[in-house]
Amino acid sequence: QQQVKQSPQSLIVQKGGISIINCAYENTAFDYFPWYQQFPGKGPALLIAIRPDVSEKKEGRFTISFNKSAKQFSLHIMDSQPGDSATYFCAARRDNFNKFYFGSGTKLNVKP
Amino acid sequence: KAGVTQTPRYLIKTRGQQVTLSCSPISGHRSVSWYQQTPGQGLQFLFEYFSETQRNKGNFPGRFSGRQFSNSRSEMNVSTLELGDSALYLCASSLTGSEQYFGPGTRLTVT
Repeated sequence: QQQVKQSPQSLIVQKGGISIINCAYENTAFDYFPWYQQFPGKGPALLIAIRPDVSEKKEGRFTISFNKSAKQFSLHIMDSQPGDSATYFCAARRDNFNKFYFGSGTKLNVKP
Repeated sequence: KAGVTQTPRYLIKTRGQQVTLSCSPISGHRSVSWYQQTPGQGLQFLFEYFSETQRNKGNFPGRFSGRQFSNSRSEMNVSTLELGDSALYLCASSLTGSEQYFGPGTRLTVT
Protein backbone atom coordinates (compact mmCIF):
# COMPACT_ATOMS: atom_id res chain seq x y z
CA GLN A 1 0.00 0.00 0.00
CA GLN A 2 1.46 3.31 -1.06
CA GLN A 3 1.70 5.61 1.93
CA VAL A 4 2.13 8.81 -0.08
CA LYS A 5 0.38 9.33 -3.42
CA GLN A 6 1.82 11.92 -5.80
CA SER A 7 0.38 13.48 -8.92
CA PRO A 8 0.81 14.21 -11.73
CA GLN A 9 3.39 11.76 -13.00
CA SER A 10 4.68 14.32 -15.48
CA LEU A 11 4.15 18.02 -16.02
CA ILE A 12 4.97 20.42 -18.82
CA VAL A 13 4.97 24.13 -17.99
CA GLN A 14 5.97 27.18 -19.98
CA LYS A 15 8.78 29.36 -18.70
CA GLY A 16 7.40 31.87 -16.24
CA GLY A 17 4.40 29.71 -15.40
CA ILE A 18 3.41 28.06 -12.14
CA SER A 19 4.16 24.39 -11.56
CA ILE A 20 1.92 22.58 -9.08
CA ILE A 21 2.56 19.08 -7.75
CA ASN A 22 0.22 17.39 -5.32
CA CYS A 23 0.62 14.72 -2.67
CA ALA A 24 -1.82 12.93 -0.40
CA TYR A 25 -1.25 10.74 2.62
CA GLU A 26 -3.31 8.57 4.95
CA ASN A 27 -1.25 8.14 8.08
CA THR A 28 -2.01 10.91 10.57
CA ALA A 29 1.14 9.99 12.48
CA PHE A 30 3.26 11.66 9.79
CA ASP A 31 4.88 14.77 11.22
CA TYR A 32 7.32 16.06 8.63
CA PHE A 33 6.78 16.58 4.92
CA PRO A 34 9.78 17.40 2.71
CA TRP A 35 10.08 17.92 -1.01
CA TYR A 36 13.11 16.79 -2.96
CA GLN A 37 14.44 17.73 -6.39
CA GLN A 38 16.43 15.20 -8.37
CA PHE A 39 18.42 15.78 -11.55
CA PRO A 40 19.51 12.86 -13.74
CA GLY A 41 22.55 11.11 -12.34
CA LYS A 42 22.27 12.88 -8.99
CA GLY A 43 20.82 12.07 -5.61
CA PRO A 44 17.68 13.88 -4.42
CA ALA A 45 18.30 17.31 -2.92
CA LEU A 46 16.15 18.70 -0.12
CA LEU A 47 14.16 21.64 -1.46
CA ILE A 48 11.74 22.69 1.23
CA ALA A 49 9.86 21.03 4.09
CA ILE A 50 6.88 21.66 6.32
CA ARG A 51 5.40 20.41 9.57
CA PRO A 52 1.65 19.89 10.05
CA ASP A 53 1.22 22.82 12.43
CA VAL A 54 1.86 25.24 9.55
CA SER A 55 -0.42 25.70 6.53
CA GLU A 56 2.09 27.30 4.19
CA LYS A 57 5.82 27.76 3.87
CA LYS A 58 7.61 29.80 1.25
CA GLU A 59 11.25 29.82 0.28
CA GLY A 60 12.07 31.91 -2.73
CA ARG A 61 10.04 30.66 -5.70
CA PHE A 62 9.03 27.47 -3.88
CA THR A 63 5.93 27.24 -1.67
CA ILE A 64 4.44 24.30 0.19
CA SER A 65 0.73 24.42 0.93
CA PHE A 66 -0.45 22.02 3.61
CA ASN A 67 -4.04 20.97 4.31
CA LYS A 68 -4.09 18.87 7.46
CA SER A 69 -7.80 18.06 7.39
CA ALA A 70 -7.64 16.85 3.79
CA LYS A 71 -4.29 15.12 4.38
CA GLN A 72 -2.84 16.77 1.32
CA PHE A 73 0.13 18.96 0.57
CA SER A 74 1.42 20.53 -2.58
CA LEU A 75 4.47 22.19 -4.04
CA HIS A 76 4.11 25.36 -6.05
CA ILE A 77 6.99 26.60 -8.18
CA MET A 78 6.42 30.21 -9.18
CA ASP A 79 8.00 31.73 -12.28
CA SER A 80 9.17 28.28 -13.40
CA GLN A 81 12.51 28.22 -15.23
CA PRO A 82 14.07 25.67 -17.61
CA GLY A 83 16.64 24.99 -14.88
CA ASP A 84 13.79 23.71 -12.70
CA SER A 85 13.31 20.79 -15.09
CA ALA A 86 13.87 17.77 -12.85
CA THR A 87 12.00 15.06 -11.01
CA TYR A 88 10.31 16.14 -7.80
CA PHE A 89 9.47 13.84 -4.91
CA CYS A 90 7.28 14.49 -1.92
CA ALA A 91 7.87 12.50 1.24
CA ALA A 92 6.48 11.99 4.71
CA ARG A 93 8.04 10.85 7.93
CA ARG A 94 6.31 9.15 10.83
CA ASP A 95 6.74 10.97 14.09
CA ASN A 96 9.82 10.00 16.04
CA PHE A 97 10.90 7.55 13.36
CA ASN A 98 13.43 8.44 10.72
CA LYS A 99 11.62 6.34 8.18
CA PHE A 100 10.56 8.30 5.15
CA TYR A 101 7.87 7.32 2.66
CA PHE A 102 8.29 8.82 -0.79
CA GLY A 103 5.80 9.67 -3.49
CA SER A 104 6.31 8.18 -6.94
CA GLY A 105 7.80 11.36 -8.36
CA THR A 106 6.79 14.03 -10.89
CA LYS A 107 8.92 14.73 -13.91
CA LEU A 108 8.75 18.46 -14.59
CA ASN A 109 9.69 19.90 -17.96
CA VAL A 110 9.79 23.68 -18.21
CA LYS A 111 9.69 24.80 -21.84
CA PRO A 112 11.73 27.92 -22.74
CA LYS B 1 31.52 21.26 4.20
CA ALA B 2 31.84 18.09 2.15
CA GLY B 3 28.62 16.37 1.17
CA VAL B 4 27.64 12.72 1.44
CA THR B 5 29.98 10.49 -0.53
CA GLN B 6 29.23 7.02 -1.81
CA THR B 7 31.57 4.46 -3.27
CA PRO B 8 31.70 2.96 -5.74
CA ARG B 9 29.54 5.01 -8.07
CA TYR B 10 28.94 2.15 -10.49
CA LEU B 11 29.06 -1.59 -10.00
CA ILE B 12 28.29 -4.60 -12.17
CA LYS B 13 27.76 -7.94 -10.46
CA THR B 14 26.54 -11.39 -11.41
CA ARG B 15 23.50 -13.13 -9.96
CA GLY B 16 24.36 -15.00 -6.78
CA GLN B 17 27.28 -12.77 -5.87
CA GLN B 18 27.33 -10.39 -2.94
CA VAL B 19 28.13 -6.69 -2.88
CA THR B 20 29.14 -4.08 -0.31
CA LEU B 21 28.42 -0.40 -0.79
CA SER B 22 29.95 2.37 1.28
CA CYS B 23 28.65 5.72 2.50
CA SER B 24 30.46 8.55 4.26
CA PRO B 25 28.02 11.00 5.83
CA ILE B 26 28.43 14.74 6.25
CA SER B 27 30.82 15.49 9.09
CA GLY B 28 28.93 15.55 12.39
CA HIS B 29 25.92 13.64 11.10
CA ARG B 30 25.25 10.49 13.07
CA SER B 31 22.16 9.24 11.26
CA VAL B 32 22.63 7.37 8.00
CA SER B 33 19.74 5.97 5.99
CA TRP B 34 19.79 3.78 2.91
CA TYR B 35 17.27 3.77 0.07
CA GLN B 36 16.74 1.75 -3.08
CA GLN B 37 15.55 3.65 -6.14
CA THR B 38 14.09 1.86 -9.16
CA PRO B 39 11.87 3.09 -12.01
CA GLY B 40 9.12 0.70 -10.99
CA GLN B 41 9.09 1.00 -7.20
CA GLY B 42 10.49 4.49 -6.77
CA LEU B 43 12.39 5.37 -3.61
CA GLN B 44 12.10 2.74 -0.92
CA PHE B 45 13.55 2.91 2.58
CA LEU B 46 15.95 0.12 3.47
CA PHE B 47 17.21 0.99 6.95
CA GLU B 48 18.59 3.70 9.18
CA TYR B 49 21.58 3.61 11.48
CA PHE B 50 22.30 5.96 14.34
CA SER B 51 25.36 5.70 16.56
CA GLU B 52 26.19 2.25 15.19
CA THR B 53 22.69 0.87 15.91
CA GLN B 54 20.00 0.04 13.41
CA ARG B 55 17.13 2.25 14.45
CA ASN B 56 14.61 1.68 11.67
CA LYS B 57 14.11 -0.97 9.03
CA GLY B 58 12.10 -1.14 5.82
CA ASN B 59 10.41 -4.12 4.23
CA PHE B 60 13.32 -5.77 2.48
CA PRO B 61 14.48 -9.38 2.77
CA GLY B 62 17.30 -10.36 5.08
CA ARG B 63 19.70 -10.44 2.13
CA PHE B 64 19.95 -6.70 2.64
CA SER B 65 21.98 -5.74 5.67
CA GLY B 66 24.00 -2.84 6.89
CA ARG B 67 26.23 -1.56 9.58
CA GLN B 68 27.63 1.69 10.87
CA PHE B 69 31.06 2.33 12.24
CA SER B 70 32.12 4.55 15.12
CA ASN B 71 33.05 7.35 12.70
CA SER B 72 29.45 7.21 11.34
CA ARG B 73 30.51 5.75 8.00
CA SER B 74 28.09 3.09 6.90
CA GLU B 75 28.15 0.07 4.67
CA MET B 76 25.34 -1.81 3.04
CA ASN B 77 25.62 -5.43 1.98
CA VAL B 78 23.44 -7.42 -0.38
CA SER B 79 24.02 -11.14 -0.52
CA THR B 80 22.94 -13.64 -3.16
CA LEU B 81 22.19 -10.93 -5.70
CA GLU B 82 19.10 -11.21 -7.88
CA LEU B 83 18.36 -9.45 -11.17
CA GLY B 84 15.71 -7.41 -9.38
CA ASP B 85 18.34 -5.89 -7.10
CA SER B 86 19.55 -3.74 -9.99
CA ALA B 87 18.91 -0.22 -8.77
CA LEU B 88 20.37 3.07 -7.63
CA TYR B 89 21.26 2.75 -3.96
CA LEU B 90 21.16 6.04 -2.13
CA CYS B 91 22.56 6.97 1.21
CA ALA B 92 21.31 9.96 3.18
CA SER B 93 22.78 11.51 6.29
CA SER B 94 21.08 13.66 8.85
CA LEU B 95 21.99 15.66 11.91
CA THR B 96 18.54 15.94 13.46
CA GLY B 97 16.76 13.13 11.71
CA SER B 98 14.50 15.47 9.78
CA GLU B 99 16.61 17.08 7.10
CA GLN B 100 18.20 14.35 5.05
CA TYR B 101 21.04 14.98 2.63
CA PHE B 102 21.51 12.42 -0.09
CA GLY B 103 24.67 11.22 -1.74
CA PRO B 104 24.97 10.70 -5.50
CA GLY B 105 24.17 7.01 -5.20
CA THR B 106 25.72 3.76 -6.34
CA ARG B 107 24.31 2.34 -9.57
CA LEU B 108 24.24 -1.45 -9.18
CA THR B 109 23.63 -3.62 -12.21
CA VAL B 110 23.10 -7.35 -11.70
CA THR B 111 23.55 -9.54 -14.78
